[in-house]
Amino acid sequence: KQEVTQIPAALSVPEGENLVLNCSFTDSAIYNLQWFRQDPGKGLTSLLLIQSSQREQTSGRLNASLDKSSGRSTLYIAASQPGDSATYLCALDQTGANNLFFGTGTRLTVIP
Amino acid sequence: NAGVTQTPKFQVLKTGQSMTLQCAQDMNHNSMYWYRQDPGMGLRLIYYSASEGTTDKGEVPNGYNVSRLNKREFSLRLESAAPSQTSVYFCASIRSRSRETQYFGPGTRLLVL
Repeated sequence: KQEVTQIPAALSVPEGENLVLNCSFTDSAIYNLQWFRQDPGKGLTSLLLIQSSQREQTSGRLNASLDKSSGRSTLYIAASQPGDSATYLCALDQTGANNLFFGTGTRLTVIP
Repeated sequence: NAGVTQTPKFQVLKTGQSMTLQCAQDMNHNSMYWYRQDPGMGLRLIYYSASEGTTDKGEVPNGYNVSRLNKREFSLRLESAAPSQTSVYFCASIRSRSRETQYFGPGTRLLVL
């Protein structure tokens, strides 16, 4: 069974710092990997989606990479801002049916 | 567009009571999903509906039933609530089942006493 792990569970950084969030998975047979953002008491918002044939995706200050052979993905956030404070979740689709396996998330706090 | 809406936002039940969580989307999406989110755990798929008229079990379906009422609406029913079903429930939808991302509702917080 696919297991998705995100370490650390929580991270605090000063404003302006660049940071990396990690996601690891046990089964490399994936269809795609997604990164979501969740604000307290809210639903999830999609940030980036990487197909299995891709190595990375970029959107603004965000860059997500995928290394299937090592079972890892990273989300890089450049020049962090207080508005980036949220929980970040990675999720895997193994078959293309969009039945997602989620990690436990990393709670990010950006300190002004 | 309201996107994905869920009702109620919060509910308290006693053990053994039943209730239905409602979900609706106005994006003409084909597939809809129900997840639960528990502290320290990621979201887990309960049931999904790939298209109108079909439903399938996800990772944690026990204790739940679903109905895809029409293309817009997908409901989740707890027939006899248990404290283990205390959780935050999220509904999501997607236009097609590959190469796109799911859109999530704001969630329903359920407390079973």
